[in-house]
Amino acid sequence: GAVVSQHPSRVICKSGTSVKIECRSLDFQATTMFWYRQFPKQSLMLMATSNEGSKATYEQGVEKDKFLINHASLTLSTLTVTSAHPEDSSFYICSAPRLHREAFFGQGTRLTVV
Amino acid sequence: AQKVTQAQTEISVVEKEDVTLDCVYETRDTTYYLFWYKQPPSGELVFLIRRNSFDEQNEISGRYSWNFQKSTSSFNFTITASQVVDSAVYFCALSEARAAGNKLTFGGGTRVLVKP
Repeated sequence: GAVVSQHPSRVICKSGTSVKIECRSLDFQATTMFWYRQFPKQSLMLMATSNEGSKATYEQGVEKDKFLINHASLTLSTLTVTSAHPEDSSFYICSAPRLHREAFFGQGTRLTVV
Repeated sequence: AQKVTQAQTEISVVEKEDVTLDCVYETRDTTYYLFWYKQPPSGELVFLIRRNSFDEQNEISGRYSWNFQKSTSSFNFTITASQVVDSAVYFCALSEARAAGNKLTFGGGTRVLVKP
């Protein structure tokens, strides 16, 4: 079964609204989680590293005020896309690393902003 | 900086043909991990293999095989006797070795279309 649960799997929202995406580790604690974005027919690009109990680390070019990350517990990280616009439409996917193992990925969230 | 290049953007084959996906990487780290993931149309990432930089043994798993050549910084993936269900996008990825599950640098992906 899934070891990282991501919700929702699909969301359609109106331009200007905010959307929250949850990434939850099941059966293990994740002090770090990664958020990736994938535009249609493109590769996955790391957006930010979510750290439990501290501020997220954002990759160059990613607006931290637009993509709010909260890692309030050892099993939950959330990504909030604030004031979403059509250009934010993308596939967002989280992963939780495990020491000496491959990272486990969530199922992904397909966001469409209309 | 790490970089992963998958030169083939799309490959189309007829069922039962073999298909090889190329992956070339760049890293300054002496220890690192390489991965292959499959992404079917539904979008989830399916883990296929992890290889550390000290293990150059080739690996076979069913119809899948991997050829790791450190001398040429390549980690190629072959699907033997392809099936329609193999149709997907395949990503090669690289991570630092401090923890195998650390953040990944992905290649551009290769879309494989297997026709019946």
